Amino acid sequence: ETGVTQSPTHLIKTRGQQVTLRCSSQSGHNTVSWYQQALGQGPQFIFQYYREEENGRGNFPPRFSGLQFPNYSSELNVNALELDDSALYLCASSPNLLAGGGNEQFFGPGTRLTVL
Amino acid sequence: AQKVTQAQTEISVVEKEDVTLDCVYETRDTTYYLFWYKQPPSGELVFLIRRNSFDEQNEISGRYSWNFQKSTSSFNFTITASQVVDSAVYFCALRRSGANSKLTFGKGITLSVRP
Repeated sequence: ETGVTQSPTHLIKTRGQQVTLRCSSQSGHNTVSWYQQALGQGPQFIFQYYREEENGRGNFPPRFSGLQFPNYSSELNVNALELDDSALYLCASSPNLLAGGGNEQFFGPGTRLTVL
Repeated sequence: AQKVTQAQTEISVVEKEDVTLDCVYETRDTTYYLFWYKQPPSGELVFLIRRNSFDEQNEISGRYSWNFQKSTSSFNFTITASQVVDSAVYFCALRRSGANSKLTFGKGITLSVRP
């Protein structure tokens, strides 16, 4: 069983650029969530996707957007990058959360984004 | 609003010592879920344990145990006979019941286990 994978591992961008991060969910998981983790902080919830639709969003501006594909993989897009966007971006997948259970989320290794 | 507080920021112990990581949470929900995750230097968050708000039974799993006290909104995690490989950042997290998967994390506790 393949776990959650993310690409790329590291990325360096400059202010104002756009970036796309990718995530493949664990086999059998149809819900994907994205988190931003600044240095020395806990992860902050960006949004969740279920069956290709956004199904919950944290306190992030619209320039953070995402997609989920029919195979449940997902992308996180960030436009007009700012210095404060430098962080570790974590993707997590889980079984059907709409069942209302407290299923644990399984995290990928993350993408380290540096904005110069 | 939901909130998780991990008052300890850094803990250093010698191998084989027991160590307890504290977590206090705030929620108005009656049904919720609590988690502990471990983040080694590689960065990946590793799931350790989950607790449902309606089950206050405390358990032991190998070297890990946890103490869930609903009356004090605390969910403490203990590692018995710590090992160098336990060195990592440990996060406590809270999730509401329902469809939204949002986990609210604390700021984490950096645990260093010295040989």
